Amino acid sequence: RKEVEQDPGPFNVPEGATVAFNCTYSNSASQSFFWYRQDCRKEPKLLMSVYSSGNEDGRFTAQLNRASQYISLLIRDSKLSDSATYLCVVNFASKIIFGSGTRLSIRP
Amino acid sequence: DGGITQSPKYLFRKEGQNVTLSCEQNLNHDAMYWYRQDPGQGLRLIYYSQIVNDFQKGDIAEGYSVSREKKESFPLTVTSAQKNPTAFYLCASSPTGILGDGYTFGSGTRLTVV
Repeated sequence: RKEVEQDPGPFNVPEGATVAFNCTYSNSASQSFFWYRQDCRKEPKLLMSVYSSGNEDGRFTAQLNRASQYISLLIRDSKLSDSATYLCVVNFASKIIFGSGTRLSIRP
Repeated sequence: DGGITQSPKYLFRKEGQNVTLSCEQNLNHDAMYWYRQDPGQGLRLIYYSQIVNDFQKGDIAEGYSVSREKKESFPLTVTSAQKNPTAFYLCASSPTGILGDGYTFGSGTRLTVV
């Protein structure tokens, strides 16, 4: 089993829709969690950290479920500019693991 | 503006040749990292350095070498021992002790073996 797993997608949704995807991790001792966004042929950029209590930043909501060992990202009122690959990042024992990403495509 | 600069953007290497990828940051970050990204895969850690004159192997260090003589610079050499070097290489930096958060990435170098 991979240490961090993401559904590769692509998720193809219409503009204005709500979309959510998960990332599962195998090590229960994982300490911190992040979502990064990567545009095609560009570098990843930090989208948001994921806190135990969940956190929201505008249209984006990130949640952590320690019992089931997954984190989620919800995007409301999706925009064309949200089209990208979303990378899940998990940290445990001074080790950082990047997921392979979920590709999201927003259509007009 | 602070940031990380990687060069070149595109690099072509002949079989059996060593090449060096440049990574420079002016963020005053202590830690620097090299990752490799292949299509459909997550980033894999090649080498990292937490302080000047010290670095550690990541998960896929074979066929690569690094140096950290200055805080600002962390060049990566892809040696002829790396059998499948064609990939997208990303350099990142972060303040010491912050793992995963606060990563700033360079814009990457695409290396192709010809």
